[in-house]
Amino acid sequence: DTGVSQNPRHKITKRGQNVTFRCDPISEHNRLYWYRQTLGQGPEFLTYFQNEAQLEKSRLLSDRFSAERPKGSFSTLEIQRTEQGDSAMYLCASSLEAGARYTFGSGTRLTVV
Amino acid sequence: DQQVKQNSPSLSVQEGRISILNCDYTNSMFDYFLWYKKYPAEGPTFLISISSIKDKNEDGRFTVFLNKSAKHLSLHIVPSQPGDSAVYFCAASEETSGSRLTFGEGTQLTVNP
Repeated sequence: DTGVSQNPRHKITKRGQNVTFRCDPISEHNRLYWYRQTLGQGPEFLTYFQNEAQLEKSRLLSDRFSAERPKGSFSTLEIQRTEQGDSAMYLCASSLEAGARYTFGSGTRLTVV
Repeated sequence: DQQVKQNSPSLSVQEGRISILNCDYTNSMFDYFLWYKKYPAEGPTFLISISSIKDKNEDGRFTVFLNKSAKHLSLHIVPSQPGDSAVYFCAASEETSGSRLTFGEGTQLTVNP
């Protein structure tokens, strides 16, 4: 059990560029979550998957955001046409089917310049 | 609409004394509450949880108290240790949410030797 792995750890991009982050959950966990955290705030829910099905999306997830979990294992979060307001820490977490005791990854810090 | 609030951004205590971190919520549908701890450059780590059918849960030096009528919970750490210095997040979920968590803003705890 290597925990939840997120790549890259840091990403600096120019406004208007597309970025993609990857999350590898704990292998036996079938639920996978994406959260976003900005400075001085707690994590905010973006979306979650049960296996390969995306079951819920937050209204924070605008049309420029898309998440996939094609085989029910790793997940990707893509942001198109990045804006400065997208600068944040993007956290991935996974859990077993029941309960909310997530295991979080270390996050990907995105800076849009 | 901040449904989970931690009104104290920071708390400083002496080693060996009790640390009390507070959290208030507004959504009466929340039925499961958790505390996470976060060190710099790491993702949040699960600490302790409590179901709404209980009013207290204890795990070693950590105790969480829930007052449903006041929509208030607190985390007690006793005795506090310097290694407890971290940001503590309160989080809540409702059974129908698919384990989506709503986080508070966090409280930075500093335990001085």
